[in-house]
Amino acid sequence: KAGVTQTPRYLIKTRGQQVTLSCSPISGHRSVSWYQQTPGQGLQFLFEYFSETQRNKGNFPGRFSGRQFSNSRSEMNVSTLELGDSALYLCASSSIDREETQYFGPGTRLLVL
Amino acid sequence: QKEVEQNSGPLSVPEGAIASLNCTYSDRGSQSFFWYRQYSGKSPELIMSIYSNGDKEDGRFTAQLNKASQYVSLLIRDSQPSDSATYLCAVKGSWAGGTSYGKLTFGQGTILTVHP
Repeated sequence: KAGVTQTPRYLIKTRGQQVTLSCSPISGHRSVSWYQQTPGQGLQFLFEYFSETQRNKGNFPGRFSGRQFSNSRSEMNVSTLELGDSALYLCASSSIDREETQYFGPGTRLLVL
Repeated sequence: QKEVEQNSGPLSVPEGAIASLNCTYSDRGSQSFFWYRQYSGKSPELIMSIYSNGDKEDGRFTAQLNKASQYVSLLIRDSQPSDSATYLCAVKGSWAGGTSYGKLTFGQGTILTVHP
């Protein structure tokens, strides 16, 4: 089975712009979670989607949003980028029968200038 | 108090030695515990999961869980230079109104270096 894929892998944006990141889960996985990883804060949970519905959300401002499509692919969007949004954005997928076990994609490294 | 705390590193061990990584968590209702390995510039890779008190062995890796002490550890036997990485402890919290859906809480990680 192919693993979790994320596009793009690298992105450079300027403050005030918006960005959309994409994640394709492992085939058959319906839950997709998103995390932000920074050197200072570590890995922090952003949100989780299952069957096109957001079931859980972390403590991030409303500038961070996401969605999931009927094929379980997910996107996250960050509007009005700030310098502090520079991070590695990771998505992870899990299967319905083992929801707690998450497999991570390679991540998208976002640099905000 | 942080939700998940790992022993501060970095940890350096000689090749062939046992590396011991520790983690404590605050949510007493937590049910699922994971160890991920993350190489520099890469994404986390799942290496062990444990759900019940006691030990779970997989090759050179042994995870230990003590829910009463809210403690989980990872032992790496016969450490190899290729084991040099950051090890992340992750916990799935108790269900409380759906607040644990899809959410793993991670420790800050312990950097392990295995020197020849």
